[in-house]
Amino acid sequence: EVQLVESGGGLVQPGRSLSLSCTASGFTFGDYAMSWVRQAPGKGLEWVGFIRSKAYGETPKYAASVRGRFTISRDDSNSIVYLQMNSLKTEDTAIYYCTRVVGWSLNDYWGQGTLVTVSS
Amino acid sequence: QSVLTQPPSVSAAPGQKVTISCSGSSSNIVNNDVSWYQQLPGAAPKLLIHDNDKRPSGIPDRFSGSKSGTSATLGITGLQTGDEADYYCGAWDSSLSAGVFGGGTKVTVL
Repeated sequence: EVQLVESGGGLVQPGRSLSLSCTASGFTFGDYAMSWVRQAPGKGLEWVGFIRSKAYGETPKYAASVRGRFTISRDDSNSIVYLQMNSLKTEDTAIYYCTRVVGWSLNDYWGQGTLVTVSS
Repeated sequence: QSVLTQPPSVSAAPGQKVTISCSGSSSNIVNNDVSWYQQLPGAAPKLLIHDNDKRPSGIPDRFSGSKSGTSATLGITGLQTGDEADYYCGAWDSSLSAGVFGGGTKVTVL
């Protein structure tokens, strides 16, 4: 059974940093791209970015709203994908979901999400 | 403002049918596959339709997807109270080089 478990969310002040983790199980992690999708309170889904598998050079891509502030990385030996968030803004407040990706944008499995609140 | 456009809400009585449209452009829907996701209240999204019209195992055939030109459509027949949820379309946008979602459509069973 595919499982994705996010961790690391919490309350952080504007301008500070936070790192999220997503631990995967139930599939060969290294064969898949992984992405982060967020959802602000009461709002819709927003694609944050993804990182491709080693076979495709582990190339990350980011949404314009986070490019230059957020970094996605992966540890295939431990089946973990990370989201390093720097220079956080109040508008980054959201539930952050980790997803497994097939192809470019098919998010076939989702984690339960972790809440990030950016507030002073 | 979402790259993909969906109606904010649709509704119908139990047993009836609803359709949800997802409008895009040549950089996303026309040249890339569309997925649909169901988000029940308080839950994470779940994949409902992939590759425009394919259902993952376990998804009932009451749910269907189609695509034509710059639009995609999700259909739900035999509407049930358990179908009350938010539904999102998603695709890759080749111009943005990014994933994109619709703004979401709330389905209400009257």
